[in-house]
Amino acid sequence: KQEVTQIPAALSVPEGENLVLNCSFTDSAIYNLQWFRQDPGKGLTSLLLIQSSQREQTSGRLNASLDKSSGRSTLYIAASQPGDSATYLCAVRNTDKLIFGTGTRLQVFP
Amino acid sequence: NAGVTQTPKFRVLKTGQSMTLLCAQDMNHEYMYWYRQDPGMGLRLIHYSVGEGTTAKGEVPDGYNVSRLKKQNFLLGLESAAPSQTSVYFCASSSALANVLTFGAGSRLTVL
Repeated sequence: KQEVTQIPAALSVPEGENLVLNCSFTDSAIYNLQWFRQDPGKGLTSLLLIQSSQREQTSGRLNASLDKSSGRSTLYIAASQPGDSATYLCAVRNTDKLIFGTGTRLQVFP
Repeated sequence: NAGVTQTPKFRVLKTGQSMTLLCAQDMNHEYMYWYRQDPGMGLRLIHYSVGEGTTAKGEVPDGYNVSRLKKQNFLLGLESAAPSQTSVYFCASSSALANVLTFGAGSRLTVL
């Protein structure tokens, strides 16, 4: 059974810092991995999708990497801003299912 | 382009009552999913569908039923609501090829 873990559960940083969020999964036979952002009381917004054959994806200040063999992905946020404050979730796809981690709650203070 | 629309957004039920949550997508997506989100437990998959007329069980299917009679709609039913089903429910959809999930805004259900 696929299990997805995200560490840390919560993170508070000053504005401008570069930071890394971690995601690990137990079954390396994945099709892809997706990172989402969730604002309080809102739905999820897709940030980056990495296919199993890819090593990383970039979008603006966000960079996600994937090491399938070790069961790890990282989300790198450069020059963090208060507007980045949200919960970040990773999810891995095994066949038809997308299994989520419990998320990292990020607060960026001015 | 509305994307994924969930109705209702809020609902309060008494134990034993039944209700249906409706998810509608206008992106011609094949795959549709129902998740529940509870504090400290992340999103857990309830049921999903890989195409019109198909449904399959996810991680936590007990107490729920689903139907996908039309490609654009995915219904989640609670036949006899229990307090343990108090949660925020999210519907999502994806095309079979791109696999990027698009989520609805959520439906907050409280069972008293």
